[in-house]
Amino acid sequence: LAKTTQPISMDSYEGQEVNITCSHNNIATNDYITWYQQFPSQGPRFIIQGYKTKVTNEVASLFIPADRKSSTLSLPRVSLSDTAVYYCLVAPFYNTDKLIFGTGTRLQVFP
Amino acid sequence: GAVVSQHPSRVICKSGTSVKIECRSLDFQATTMFWYRQFPKQSLMLMATSNEGSKATYEQGVEKDKFLINHASLTLSTLTVTSAHPEDSSFYICSARSLGTGEGYTFGSGTRLTVV
Repeated sequence: LAKTTQPISMDSYEGQEVNITCSHNNIATNDYITWYQQFPSQGPRFIIQGYKTKVTNEVASLFIPADRKSSTLSLPRVSLSDTAVYYCLVAPFYNTDKLIFGTGTRLQVFP
Repeated sequence: GAVVSQHPSRVICKSGTSVKIECRSLDFQATTMFWYRQFPKQSLMLMATSNEGSKATYEQGVEKDKFLINHASLTLSTLTVTSAHPEDSSFYICSARSLGTGEGYTFGSGTRLTVV
């Protein structure tokens, strides 16, 4: 299973764009990259998933370079409600394999 | 999207008693479910993989006789914390995989266990 490395914490202000980068140097060919958001006392919630290049949905964008050894979650114009822990995970898409969580990035958004 | 329902959301029990936590996949079948434990300010730690119709697979260091897992149907897995002690107090989260949604793994809302 690919190990991931993220910054432990990040601070931002409301309205700013936040980019959180995750390193996964030993990602396998059949691995996908998925980001989850977790609020206190809640289970993680799916944000976005991708395999290569760029993926965008209504809440975030995910940028993956050609070598796939890293990925960047981009949150446009954050608000106070985006204060949470963000986890980057790497796992095969078509196999139901266990997900091993890294440290995650604790994002604090200030007014 | 796929929904995983976890109950109870909060439970307080006396030391020495047992507590059962249920995890249900509401709109999909899950042959495999996962149980995590999370201490304050820490990441999720995988405890075990629950397989429908067979024995669970426990991660290293997790006592299988203390954390009993039963996956009797394709939509229900249960975790029973036996003879609970204060050090078992934690946030327990289950997860299941729905291949049809394209969202990867879906997590329950978690169970806050407090042993007094």
